Amino acid sequence: KQEVTQIPAALSVPEGENLVLNCSFTDSAIYNLQWFRQDPGKGLTSLLLIQSSQREQTSGRLNASLDKSSGRSTLYIAASQPGDSATYLCAVRGDAGGTSYGKLTFGQGTILTVHP
Amino acid sequence: EAQVTQNPRYLITVTGKKLTVTCSQNMNHEYMSWYRQDPGLGLRQIYYSMNVEVTDKGDVPEGYKVSRKEKRNFPLILESPSPNQTSLYFCASSSGRLNTEAFFGQGTRLTVV
Repeated sequence: KQEVTQIPAALSVPEGENLVLNCSFTDSAIYNLQWFRQDPGKGLTSLLLIQSSQREQTSGRLNASLDKSSGRSTLYIAASQPGDSATYLCAVRGDAGGTSYGKLTFGQGTILTVHP
Repeated sequence: EAQVTQNPRYLITVTGKKLTVTCSQNMNHEYMSWYRQDPGLGLRQIYYSMNVEVTDKGDVPEGYKVSRKEKRNFPLILESPSPNQTSLYFCASSSGRLNTEAFFGQGTRLTVV
């Protein structure tokens, strides 16, 4: 059974700092890994998608890496801003050969607070 | 604009009163699914559908039903809601190839009293 762990559970940083969020998963048989952002009481906004064959993806100040063999991904946020404050969720997409076709397995999330 | 639309956004109901949460997507996606989000338990898959008339159970299907009569719609049905189904529910869709990103609706906060 796939298990996804995110560390740290919460992070508070001053504005302008570069930071790294960590995600690990137990089963390397994945299609892809997706990072989401969730604001309080809101839905999930997709940030980055990394295919299982890729090593990293970049979008603006965000960079996500994937090491499938070791079951790890990191989300790097450069020059953090107060508007980046949210919960960040990592999710892996199950391989088609598994028992839960296409299921996204989520970590518990990292609650990020960026203070001015 | 590509989107997944859920209705209602908020719902308070009583135990045993049947309800339906609707989900519609405008991206012609084959794969749709429902998740519930609970504090300390994260997001868990309830049901999924690979295409019209093809549905299957996720991790926590008890007490729920779904149907997929049209490609764009995937309603979640609670025949006899109970308080332990109080949760935040999300509908998601993605292409059938699964190698594209998943899009999520805005969520439905359900309270069963």
